[in-house]
Amino acid sequence: AQRVTQPEKLLSVFKGAPVELKCNYSYSGSPELFWYVQYSRQRLQLLLRHISRESIKGFTADLNKGETSFHLKKPFAQEEDSAMYYCALSGVNYGQNFVFGPGTRLSVLP
Amino acid sequence: ETGVTQSPTHLIKTRGQQVTLRCSSQSGHNTVSWYQQALGQGPQFIFQYYREEENGRGNFPPRFSGLQFPNYSSELNVNALELDDSALYLCASRSGPDRDTGELFFGEGSRLTVL
Repeated sequence: AQRVTQPEKLLSVFKGAPVELKCNYSYSGSPELFWYVQYSRQRLQLLLRHISRESIKGFTADLNKGETSFHLKKPFAQEEDSAMYYCALSGVNYGQNFVFGPGTRLSVLP
Repeated sequence: ETGVTQSPTHLIKTRGQQVTLRCSSQSGHNTVSWYQQALGQGPQFIFQYYREEENGRGNFPPRFSGLQFPNYSSELNVNALELDDSALYLCASRSGPDRDTGELFFGEGSRLTVL
C-alpha cells in the first residue's frame, strides 16, 4: 500500500539553525516524491520534486531508496520558512494519484 | 496565481443533506483531482478525472461522486452528509500528459461544516 509518514507534527528551530523535515514512504514500485508547502493564508503549492534535483529557497531533498526516505533540509532556516510542509508521492506514470503525508508545521523562531 | 478557483469558500450543511462543490481548473489542464483535508491531517485523495472520465479513486464511499466538464470545470457531490464529512475540500489540476511536469495546482478549498 502507498503510504507517507512524517513523524513530527511540529518542528521549532531558531533562525539560522539547520532544519530537517523527515519523510518516509512505502510504495510498491518507482515513486516520484514531492514536497508541498502551505504558507499562512496561501494555497498549497509545490516546493520541490526529487527528479528535478533543484534547490528551491535553499531547500534540498534527496531520495534514499534504501531507507525509503525523502527528508527536506535547509542549512540556515529563515523566519519566512515558517509554514506547513507536506511530503507526497505519486507513481511515475501520468495521472497517478498523489498520497500526502500528515504534514509538519515548521516554526522558525527569531 | 495558479488559476484554480473553487466555490463556495465556506458552507454549512446538516446531516443527511447533499452538497455540490465546484472547481474551475487552470486552462489546458486535463486532469483534476479532489482531496479531503480534515483538521490536522494531510490531503486525502478522493478521486481523479481525466478528460471527463474518472480514472482513479481513493478509499471513499460511493456517496462521494464527481463530474468533469469540457470547459475545465468539475464538481464534487456528496450525498447523505455525515458529521465526519466536515473538512476542507481541495481541488487540484495538472497539465495534460504531453506537457506534464507532475505538479499539482491547488485551489484554496471549500470548507464544509456538517452539523
